[in-house]
Amino acid sequence: AQSVTQLDSQVPVFEEAPVELRCNYSSSVSVYLFWYVQYPNQGLQLLLKYLSGSTLVKGINGFEAEFNKSQTSFHLRKPSVHISDTAEYFCAVSGSNQGGKLIFGQGTELSVKP
Amino acid sequence: DAGVTQSPTHLIKTRGQQVTLRCSPKSGHDTVSWYQQALGQGPQFIFQYYEEEERQRGNFPDRFSGHQFPNYSSELNVNALLLGDSALYLCASSLGPQDNSPLHFGNGTRLTVT
Repeated sequence: AQSVTQLDSQVPVFEEAPVELRCNYSSSVSVYLFWYVQYPNQGLQLLLKYLSGSTLVKGINGFEAEFNKSQTSFHLRKPSVHISDTAEYFCAVSGSNQGGKLIFGQGTELSVKP
Repeated sequence: DAGVTQSPTHLIKTRGQQVTLRCSPKSGHDTVSWYQQALGQGPQFIFQYYEEEERQRGNFPDRFSGHQFPNYSSELNVNALLLGDSALYLCASSLGPQDNSPLHFGNGTRLTVT
């Protein structure tokens, strides 16, 4: 069985500062990893995904994440955040033969202050 | 290009009633998954439909059932509603049920059970 742990429930940061949202996963099979963002009263939007290949993945809105197999982590980073990045961020994992079933973490609320 | 659309956006029901939620997938997608997102939590997988059949199911009771139509749209039915069924119900579509097919989410239906 797979599981996802997002290590911070809330991350406050000032505008233009860098940010890292941490995600660890556990799985006994090969995994695919995703980060989604959820703005208030909306569904989830895909930020980026790791399927295979380069462990550094670049996504939309200037976000990137690094897959670290030995540490079973997939942390999300952005070098300089904007007020508009304020949202809930979810890390998710899908494993071999799971057919698109995603296991989500509990979410990290990113709050960007001016 | 229309994305995933869900209806209704909000719904209030009484305990013991039945409810039907509807979803139209993104154009070109043939697989629909349903997730339940309780307040302050990450989404939890309910089930997935492909080729008009339920292919996978999460840990939800039989009160939760679904259907997929020939045009790939889908319905989620919940019988004998409980207060704990209050949540945001998200529909997601993808091209095929493969593990690495990114999910595209709708904005959800907010169900309140009183």
